[in-house]
Amino acid sequence: SQTIHQWPATLVQPVGSPLSLECTVEGTSNPNLYWYRQAAGRGLQLLFYSVGIGQISSEVPQNLSASRPQDRQFILSSKKLLLSDSGFYLCAWNGQSANYGYTFGSGTRLTVV
Amino acid sequence: SQQGEEDPQALSIQEGENATMNCSYKTSINNLQWYRQNSGRGLVHLILIRSNEREKHSGRLRVTLDTSKKSSSLLITASRAADTASYFCATGLGAQKLVFGQGTRLTINP
Repeated sequence: SQTIHQWPATLVQPVGSPLSLECTVEGTSNPNLYWYRQAAGRGLQLLFYSVGIGQISSEVPQNLSASRPQDRQFILSSKKLLLSDSGFYLCAWNGQSANYGYTFGSGTRLTVV
Repeated sequence: SQQGEEDPQALSIQEGENATMNCSYKTSINNLQWYRQNSGRGLVHLILIRSNEREKHSGRLRVTLDTSKKSSSLLITASRAADTASYFCATGLGAQKLVFGQGTRLTINP
């Protein structure tokens, strides 16, 4: 069965520090991978998605970047965090067909102080 | 840009009652999906309805889709305390770039 792992669960980082959040998927190959951010009490904002190794599409210009070094690994990074980067970050995957839902990771709560 | 918009933003009902949430969207879609999110957790996929379908059932869930009105509804019958969560609709045109609404916060009172 397919599973998705996302870590860490919580993170407190000072302003100006770097960030690296990792997401890995098991039990499938060539998944579409996504990073979403959720502000408190709000909906999800799509940040990045990837349809293959090294292929990254950015949806919102910002202080973050994403990379996909391996087929089932998706990394969200920042060189210097801003206060506005605080939020709940969710990784998700789906197959190549448009008729299947997304499977989400358990999320990372990032607080920038 | 936000595609789906849920209504109401918050809903509080008694256990055993039915809960209905609505979603409106603006552009053409391939499918519409509903998700549940418990507080502080990831989202869980509930049901997907294709643009050529009008109604779909899954257990106590019933989803309708009216593409002419660009709207969908999610009905949860015989609600339970465990149904307390936020519910999101999401619209997709292809396999990528699912766009989520702001969600409905559902509270089931014992």
